[in-house]
Amino acid sequence: GQNIDQPTEMTATEGAIVQINCTYQTSGFNGLFWYQQHAGEAPTFLSYNVLDGLEEKGRFSSFLSRSKGYSYLLLKELQMKDSASYLCAVRGQNQGGKLIFGQGTELSVKP
Amino acid sequence: DSGVTQTPKHLITATGQRVTLRCSPRSGDLSVYWYQQSLDQGLQFLIQYYNGEERAKGNILERFSAQQFPDLHSELNLSSLELGDSALYFCASSVPSGVARLDEQFFGPGTRLTVL
Repeated sequence: GQNIDQPTEMTATEGAIVQINCTYQTSGFNGLFWYQQHAGEAPTFLSYNVLDGLEEKGRFSSFLSRSKGYSYLLLKELQMKDSASYLCAVRGQNQGGKLIFGQGTELSVKP
Repeated sequence: DSGVTQTPKHLITATGQRVTLRCSPRSGDLSVYWYQQSLDQGLQFLIQYYNGEERAKGNILERFSAQQFPDLHSELNLSSLELGDSALYFCASSVPSGVARLDEQFFGPGTRLTVL
């Protein structure tokens, strides 16, 4: 089966750093994605990992450990506009391009 | 703006009815994906088409069907609608499979379906 777990909600302070964790169990692995979704809007792509290690992209970084079935999204210098849901998604092997999404982590950034 | 368009934006209908949701992928994208997002289920993969052919299937109900036309737009048909079908329906598209390692999916703005 396929299972993706991430915390339901997190709160952080403007200007701080927050780490959102994601653990997964899937049949085959062909990449892990992080998407940002504001309420009622479309998910937008943030990052992609297929090899172990850290991928950095401005204020956002994502880490992957395939042996541990673990990823995290790191957001630095938090801004109020970063308040959103963060979705972890895994693409399986030989399953077309479909993504299996976690339930999402609702991040609230407070002043 | 992702370049993926979906119509209609909102749809209100009654139980037992049938509706069609439409999606136009980004120019050049051959793959189209349909996802359902309800409050209690999160974002669920329904079905993928690649250049007109069904490529992958998720937990799509038998009452639901989809197709991708020669011009690459796609339609999702939902029939015998139930209250539980109320959700946001997203379409996404991606570059041709196998061309790019990333194969990032770009999501349309969604269609909000309300079944009364």
